Amino acid sequence: SQKIEQNSEALNIQEGKTATLTCNYTNYSPAYLQWYRQDPGRGPVFLLLIRENEKEKRKERLKVTFDTTLKQSLFHITASQPADSATYLCALRTGTASKLTFGTGTRLQVTL
Amino acid sequence: DADVTQTPRNRITKTGKRIMLECSQTKGHDRMYWYRQDPGLGLRLIYYSFDVKDINKGEISDGYSVSRQAQAKFSLSLESAIPNQTALYFCATSEASGRYNEQFFGPGTRLTVL
Repeated sequence: SQKIEQNSEALNIQEGKTATLTCNYTNYSPAYLQWYRQDPGRGPVFLLLIRENEKEKRKERLKVTFDTTLKQSLFHITASQPADSATYLCALRTGTASKLTFGTGTRLQVTL
Repeated sequence: DADVTQTPRNRITKTGKRIMLECSQTKGHDRMYWYRQDPGLGLRLIYYSFDVKDINKGEISDGYSVSRQAQAKFSLSLESAIPNQTALYFCATSEASGRYNEQFFGPGTRLTVL
């Protein structure tokens, strides 16, 4: 069966450290993978996209890697801040153009 | 003003009632989506529409219907609401061929069915 797995347990890290979140998938061959941020009571907001032929993408303090052999994406936030506390969702393009399947998300808590 | 708006933001209703959730967008996007979000299950696609004449079922369409009244408007109906339809509902839009193909989400509607 097809699955997208993100760690359901919250990730707690100290301010200034690097947060690393994982997205694993099975039985998909996605053309690209996206990461979204969701704050409580709000809709998800797009952060980054990485395509199947790309290994790494960066945007400011964010870095995403994509290993299609391992079927895994890693999402890194360097020099994390309390304002980075949120739930982070990965999403895969599956099937027709722009149709996404989302993971359940991982909640990140950055403490002082 | 918000690009993607949803009304109502909160709704409490009773089993068996008909409910309509509305979504409007000013982004000029052709593609619109309805998702529901449940704790532990994430976002699941209910219906999507790639233009006014194109409506498609998502993975959990049973018990729901949609109407695309115009490019900017996409409504979700629960014909006869049941308690397990209690969830957070999101509308989203995307371009037909954007650089990142990202989806833009509305603020959500919290629906409670008693």
